[in-house]
Amino acid sequence: GQNIDQPTEMTATEGAIVQINCTYQTSGFNGLFWYQQHAGEAPTFLSYNVLDGLEEKGRFSSFLSRSKGYSYLLLKELQMKDSASYLCAHTDKLIFGTGTRLQVFP
Amino acid sequence: ETGVTQTPRHLVMGMTNKKSLKCEQHLGHNAMYWYKQSAKKPLELMFVYSLEERVENNSVPSRFSPECPNSSHLFLHLHTLQPEDSALYLCASSQDRQGTGELFFGEGSRLTVL
Repeated sequence: GQNIDQPTEMTATEGAIVQINCTYQTSGFNGLFWYQQHAGEAPTFLSYNVLDGLEEKGRFSSFLSRSKGYSYLLLKELQMKDSASYLCAHTDKLIFGTGTRLQVFP
Repeated sequence: ETGVTQTPRHLVMGMTNKKSLKCEQHLGHNAMYWYKQSAKKPLELMFVYSLEERVENNSVPSRFSPECPNSSHLFLHLHTLQPEDSALYLCASSQDRQGTGELFFGEGSRLTVL
């Protein structure tokens, strides 16, 4: 199977750090994407992991463990504009999780 | 124009109507996709085209009919839809279908079936 699971909603405060987890089944695995989608807008690419470890890109980092079928997106120094849905996606079958809706409060 | 453009942005249709959604990409990509996004459900992959050839059709009802006349354009023809087909339909493109390149999404077409 190719199920992808992530929490439905998360909340955090401005300036904090939040970690959004994603688990997936590992058959036919090529890599994992993370996308950000603001309400009413198109998803936009954040990161791509194919090897184990942490990929850092400014305030956002993404981690992958292939053996555990696990990834997370780490958002640092949260800003109000980070309120959005965060989608993880399996690159082989282009299957997306339901998305995690993050709300950042002042 | 740059990126992926979808028209119309909003569409309301009756169950007996025939309409089409259009997607255009100006990125020189070889693969194009249709996704359906419903509330509280994951993005559902509907169709994949690679070099204008349909390579995936994920058990989508025949009332949805895709067309890819060239590598820059993708259509989704709609006929006798049901109210449960109301959703946001997203088009995306990528450099190829290998799965290693990011997807570039359009803004989507919000469809309401009455």
